[in-house]
Amino acid sequence: NAGVMQNPRHLVRRRGQEARLRCSPMKGHSHVYWYRQLPEEGLKFMVYLQKENIIDESGMPKERFSAEFPKEGPSILRIQQVVRGDSAAYFCASSRRLAGGDEQYFGPGTRLTVT
Amino acid sequence: SQELEQSPQSLIVQEGKNLTINCTSSKTLYGLYWYKQKYGEGLIFLMMLQKGGEEKSHEKITAKLDEKKQQSSLHITASQPSHAGIYLCGADRSQGGKLIFGQGTELSVKP
Repeated sequence: NAGVMQNPRHLVRRRGQEARLRCSPMKGHSHVYWYRQLPEEGLKFMVYLQKENIIDESGMPKERFSAEFPKEGPSILRIQQVVRGDSAAYFCASSRRLAGGDEQYFGPGTRLTVT
Repeated sequence: SQELEQSPQSLIVQEGKNLTINCTSSKTLYGLYWYKQKYGEGLIFLMMLQKGGEEKSHEKITAKLDEKKQQSSLHITASQPSHAGIYLCGADRSQGGKLIFGQGTELSVKP
């Protein structure tokens, strides 16, 4: 049973380009969460999605960031016009149902470097 | 101030010694999660605790949640070099799905 898959594992973008990060949840999981780990900072929640729905985006920056989890295919975290401050490790997690009652498993992360 | 405080921030122990890492919240938690992270890698799920007074064990690692559901401890018995890494506690405070995390405890085990 494959775990949470993320790709790419490493992504380099120049300032102003777009970054697309993909996450495939564990089999049987329909809840996806995105977190960001900035250098010298802790792991911070960004957004929580179910299939075709954004449930909680309270941690998402207001501009340039968007997320989706379509009916078919992986969840996508999209960062437009990247800046150096977006350089971080982005982690995706998945669970079967609400994290209040179920285990949340993390992927290996995508390390974004903005040059 | 951190919403979830972990202590200590770092820990160096001799192989074979026991150790404890603490995680404290100012508010009651719906769920408390423990993860281990190797530098540059993802988070490995260790345990989830939900009930006050709950205790779970896996191999040489034991986690407890206090009765008030505001404090948890992670105890490693007879530590080994393979236990080295960063231990993170995460908390669900609203049953809404999002976890908040402590700043982590970096554990080194000297052979």
